[in-house]
Amino acid sequence: DAGITQSPRHKVTETGTPVTLRCHQTENHRYMYWYRQDPGHGLRLIHYSYGVKDTDKGEVSDGYSVSRSKTEDFLLTLESATSSQTSVYFCAISPGTSGRETQYFGPGTRLLVL
Amino acid sequence: AQKITQTQPGMFVQEKEAVTLDCTYDTSDPSYGLFWYKQPSSGEMIFLIYQGSYDQQNATEGRYSLNFQKARKSANLVISASQLGDSAMYFCAMRENGGSTLGRLYFGRGTQLTVWP
Repeated sequence: DAGITQSPRHKVTETGTPVTLRCHQTENHRYMYWYRQDPGHGLRLIHYSYGVKDTDKGEVSDGYSVSRSKTEDFLLTLESATSSQTSVYFCAISPGTSGRETQYFGPGTRLLVL
Repeated sequence: AQKITQTQPGMFVQEKEAVTLDCTYDTSDPSYGLFWYKQPSSGEMIFLIYQGSYDQQNATEGRYSLNFQKARKSANLVISASQLGDSAMYFCAMRENGGSTLGRLYFGRGTQLTVWP
């Protein structure tokens, strides 16, 4: 158990509304990641963080922003949700100091944008 | 070009038999890591096994082994003595250690494994 929780676990929202997903870890790991999973695409990286206030973009970052004001929390925000952002969102952590260790995933958040 | 290719959308295996799930990868980075994850119908992503590009021996974890053929750029997962609980989606993933995105994993599209009694 990597001590990762995600909230909410399920959310239904309407197009144009802001949505924030939270990833919380209990082990003070430096590296945290947000992925989205869509049929036929596997998982794709949205944003990642390598420390408090240190974040960077991944492969599919358009329409998303992140914040990390505390080591244990990594927030993913959809500023104005669109139907194309309907997906399953996974948070992951990488223990260690290089970001090159095995990644462990949270339970996921299912988001439906109507 | 895709970094990770899983050519088997679905595989079927009888309980207690062995099964191989295929994965090929594409990278020019000499240092990389290869991973397999299991995703049961409940949805969580479970880490199974890891192989580093410089590891001399194939990785093994219980009933899971990784058949690493570097020259062919393949990293097939072998599950021995399949169990009904092995029915799940399996993802192959790669991390390029020289990449600018620290620790980013590239995932394949997955193989749905069904174990029948």
